Amino acid sequence: DTAVSQTPKYLVTQMGNDKSIKCEQNLGHDTMYWYKQDSKKFLKIMFSYNNKELIINETVPNRFSPKSPDKAHLNLHINSLELGDSAVYFCASSQANSYSPLHFGNGTRLTVT
Amino acid sequence: SQQGEEDPQALSIQEGENATMNCSYKTSINNLQWYRQNSGRGLVHLILIRSNEREKHSGRLRVTLDTSKKSSSLLITASRAADTASYFCATDGAQGGSEKLVFGKGTKLTVNP
Repeated sequence: DTAVSQTPKYLVTQMGNDKSIKCEQNLGHDTMYWYKQDSKKFLKIMFSYNNKELIINETVPNRFSPKSPDKAHLNLHINSLELGDSAVYFCASSQANSYSPLHFGNGTRLTVT
Repeated sequence: SQQGEEDPQALSIQEGENATMNCSYKTSINNLQWYRQNSGRGLVHLILIRSNEREKHSGRLRVTLDTSKKSSSLLITASRAADTASYFCATDGAQGGSEKLVFGKGTKLTVNP
């Protein structure tokens, strides 16, 4: 009964490949996010969706494409993977108001070789 | 940017001691939140303090906010080995909305048994 679950937990792939990470939340939240955490633990928002609509798209290469089939799911597809894409990617969700905390998944560690 | 900066970057203490972590930010905020991240896991929300509040308590946690200095502190009293984790502050900006939550770089706390 994990609140925010993302798969896979680990992903090792070669440069140039295309990969997807899936995320699902069972909290009934309206808003879902993708964050990227680099090797120095710096956490940066990539995308935010509210009720399946994109509301934030930070400066992220267009090789990254989020897809939200419904408000409980937000998947991340990455084309033509590069070495610099290696990081831990976190999915999160929250209610859409100023005082709603984020609930995070346990992350997907992506290693591009 | 409104990115928070935690200080110190790393802190090592003995079990039973108190741990204090500080966060500074750059622009006006609606609220400030603190999160904990255990190794290999996602972030977990600890406490939220609104811009019109000065202090908040939750169990062994005490958070203060000084909007005039644009700073916050997180105090963990009577620390335990299980408190070992990285701690992040996050700010939302005066326009509000968790959609634009921005995280600092974190303080890595080690509590030695």
